[in-house]
Amino acid sequence: QLRLQESGPGLVKPSETLSLSCSVSGGSISSRSYYWDWIRQPPGKGPEWIGNIYYSGNTYYNPSLKSRVTMSVDTSKNQFSLRLSSVTAADTALYYCARHKGEEAVDIWGQGTMVTVSS
Amino acid sequence: EIVLTQSPGTLSLSPGERTTLSCRASQSVTSSYLAWYQQKPGQAPRVLISGASSRATGIPDRFSGSGSGTDFTLTISRLEPEDFAVYYCFQYGTLPLTFGGGTKVEIK
Repeated sequence: QLRLQESGPGLVKPSETLSLSCSVSGGSISSRSYYWDWIRQPPGKGPEWIGNIYYSGNTYYNPSLKSRVTMSVDTSKNQFSLRLSSVTAADTALYYCARHKGEEAVDIWGQGTMVTVSS
Repeated sequence: EIVLTQSPGTLSLSPGERTTLSCRASQSVTSSYLAWYQQKPGQAPRVLISGASSRATGIPDRFSGSGSGTDFTLTISRLEPEDFAVYYCFQYGTLPLTFGGGTKVEIK
């Protein structure tokens, strides 16, 4: 069964760059059927879709974050990554990596990792 | 982007009751690519319904989805204790993908 696991610092200073990785186990990130997503959820609020990446490296970023987001994929390590630059307190959230298949709903989520932006 | 508005914000109900949650889109959702998720405290969202009306694997038949275009509903026919949670709608037909703000179903 496919599993996703986020990792990265839980505390980031304002104006710095948030960096997270998502390790994929139980399946290959190189599957042509799937897109790999990043989704975040501020405390007490609904989720926000950040963007996704395909195994080839093609990306789509939410326009609301596009100027600050970079996603990458490492097929040799079966993982993908998120970088969010110039963070502020508004970027404090639970960050999830997830997967969806083509024109289907997100079906598998990681457990999430909390990132707090504070000095 | 497509804005999804869920109503009501909170429902206070008793086990055994029937309830309907609403999700309204600011523009038509392509091909009814609308999903419903359930989220409990400390857990990631779990997909209940996709394609507006198709139950995901393992989801009990007390959950049903309907709608098209801009108006969608999730119905829980008879609330079980484990159904008290927050529910989100999510459209995946148009980029960027977007979530609704959620409806909390709480025990009365």
